[in-house]
Amino acid sequence: AQKVTQAQTEISVVEKEDVTLDCVYETRDTTYYLFWYKQPPSGELVFLIRRNSFDEQNEISGRYSWNFQKSTSSFNFTITASQVVDSAVYFCALSEATGANSKLTFGKGITLSVRP
Amino acid sequence: ETGVTQTPRHLVMGMTNKKSLKCEQHLGHNAMYWYKQSAKKPLELMFVYSLEERVENNSVPSRFSPECPNSSHLFLHLHTLQPEDSALYLCASSQEIGSGRNYEQYFGPGTRLTVT
Repeated sequence: AQKVTQAQTEISVVEKEDVTLDCVYETRDTTYYLFWYKQPPSGELVFLIRRNSFDEQNEISGRYSWNFQKSTSSFNFTITASQVVDSAVYFCALSEATGANSKLTFGKGITLSVRP
Repeated sequence: ETGVTQTPRHLVMGMTNKKSLKCEQHLGHNAMYWYKQSAKKPLELMFVYSLEERVENNSVPSRFSPECPNSSHLFLHLHTLQPEDSALYLCASSQEIGSGRNYEQYFGPGTRLTVT
């Protein structure tokens, strides 16, 4: 069975600080996909990134970067120079490629508060 | 309209009422999903539809009844709900499923349901 653990529940930083959100996953499949979503106070989950298990290259998109380490089953997310607008709940999710329905298993989410 | 829309955004209903939640996607996707998000719990997948056929029914009580008349619309019919059903109900859509490529899901803003 697949599982996603986001051990941090709440993080509070001051604007311009860097912050890393941790994600550890478990799966028996060799082919799987990992995702990060952002949920601002408005409620809508916003897709941030999708990564397949064969692509271990780290990715950078503006102030966002992701570190995929298959050896430790982790897919961590770093926000550089955080801003107040980054305040949201962030979810890591896993989907096994063998499933017939692309089922996403979500972690419990990390609430990030960025103070001015 | 773009993306995934949901109506109503807020709903208060008594335990004996019957109501329906509506979701519409404007992304040309052929898979749609219902999720339940309760306080302090991970997102729970409820139903998955692919090409208007239900491919997943995640042990959801029969008081929740989904309907997918076409690939752009998804409904969740509610009747005789319980107070513990109060939650944020999120709709999502994605490209083809079952292909092993597990595309990202795009979410609507959700319906905040309160059962009194």
